[in-house]
Amino acid sequence: DTGVSQDPRHKITKRGQNVTFRCDPISEHNRLYWYRQTLGQGPEFLTYFQNEAQLEKSRLLSDRFSAERPKGSFSTLEIQRTEQGDSAMYLCASSPLYHSTGELFFGEGSRLTVL
Amino acid sequence: AQSVTQLDSQVPVFEEAPVELRCNYSSSVSVYLFWYVQYPNQGLQLLLKYLSGSTLVKGINGFEAEFNKSQTSFHLRKPSVHISDTAEYFCAVSDWEETSGSRLTFGEGTQLTVNP
Repeated sequence: DTGVSQDPRHKITKRGQNVTFRCDPISEHNRLYWYRQTLGQGPEFLTYFQNEAQLEKSRLLSDRFSAERPKGSFSTLEIQRTEQGDSAMYLCASSPLYHSTGELFFGEGSRLTVL
Repeated sequence: AQSVTQLDSQVPVFEEAPVELRCNYSSSVSVYLFWYVQYPNQGLQLLLKYLSGSTLVKGINGFEAEFNKSQTSFHLRKPSVHISDTAEYFCAVSDWEETSGSRLTFGEGTQLTVNP
């Protein structure tokens, strides 16, 4: 396994459209996280899954955002009715359930530009 | 609640010079600290981490950091930088617990620019 993969790497959309990002974690990792990073800022936590269960959501995750991990493997992050303020890099990370050291393994991100 | 403050938003240095990127944190629980590096349009790569034990932590690419509990700091250092070290560096603190996973709280980043 080569690491966490994210798709697409870049997405340009018009305001009001829906977009979906996919994340494939490292195969033996049970935990999966989504972060958002705006220009010039550090990543901010959005949500966290343990297997298929979504255990925590940040207040940053408005009603227009939904994340799923239906089979406990890959995850999707959907943004409905996109706004210009949604323009950011969306980062996915994973970690093992056991014998973890707290380190998160990040993918290369999906950059969203809303026109 | 946790927070991380990176004291310098930009650090320009000349090649082969030493560098220190400063990080202060606050946390109400056990502290796990990390430094990540991000190259343009890429994700984050772990440089080093402090979990427990020796306060001097060595990482990849010749970087090291020192955990100072009394000063709540975790500064990153490298004795001699290369052009290829030009990147954004993020300090992060974790509230990790075995049963509930890790939520990293990141600082705002320090852009290190190495000039020839």
